[in-house]
Amino acid sequence: DIQMTQSPSSLSASVGDRVTITCQASQDISNYLNWYQQKPGKAPKLLIYDASNLETGVPSRFSGSGSGTDFTFTISSLQPEDIATYYCQQYDNILTFGGGTKVEIK
Amino acid sequence: QITLKESGPTLVKPTQTLTLTCTFSGFSLSTSGVGVGWIRQPPGKALEWLALIYWDDDKRYSPSLKSRLTITKDTSKNQVVLTMTNMDPVDTATYYCAHMCLYYDILTGYYSPYYFDYWGQGTLVTVSS
Repeated sequence: DIQMTQSPSSLSASVGDRVTITCQASQDISNYLNWYQQKPGKAPKLLIYDASNLETGVPSRFSGSGSGTDFTFTISSLQPEDIATYYCQQYDNILTFGGGTKVEIK
Repeated sequence: QITLKESGPTLVKPTQTLTLTCTFSGFSLSTSGVGVGWIRQPPGKALEWLALIYWDDDKRYSPSLKSRLTITKDTSKNQVVLTMTNMDPVDTATYYCAHMCLYYDILTGYYSPYYFDYWGQGTLVTVSS
């Protein structure tokens, strides 16, 4: 099984800050990685697929990069509505989600 | 407009079998490249993928839960059913079904899992005696 390790598990940042989350795969998954946002009490929402492609309708302040085993998710300017938990998900070998990163406002 | 909705018991007893139904609209599970999956989330914890069924009835299961899971579809009713046997309190979670977009691998000629782009609202299942 492919394990996905996200870090940090939580972070606190100010509005307007640049926020970065990392996701590390236990083996090479090429660019077979997606990112989801889950707001409290809601279902997850797809933000990025293929490591760096923005889903239609998702604000451009969200971005993703990386390939192989190391991936990065960035919010260029944190907004109050971005308070959520973010998950990476690999699809190179069936499916695995990362442990999540909870983003809060400082 | 694609929508999905989970239904089933909110409370099950340990050792019982859980049966959940996902009823969807806005797409057909007879269309190539389409799948429906189940994902769960224990309270305060991370998402865990459980099972996936393709339009052609191919199925994928989480290796750690494979022995306890069965996923089936009824295309005429636009439903996907997940059964999980031998329920335990650790299986208490919100269970989601989701539409999956599959991708076609030109090299292998097979479809593979890709991303979940539409999700149901989830249903909380508590396992307790």
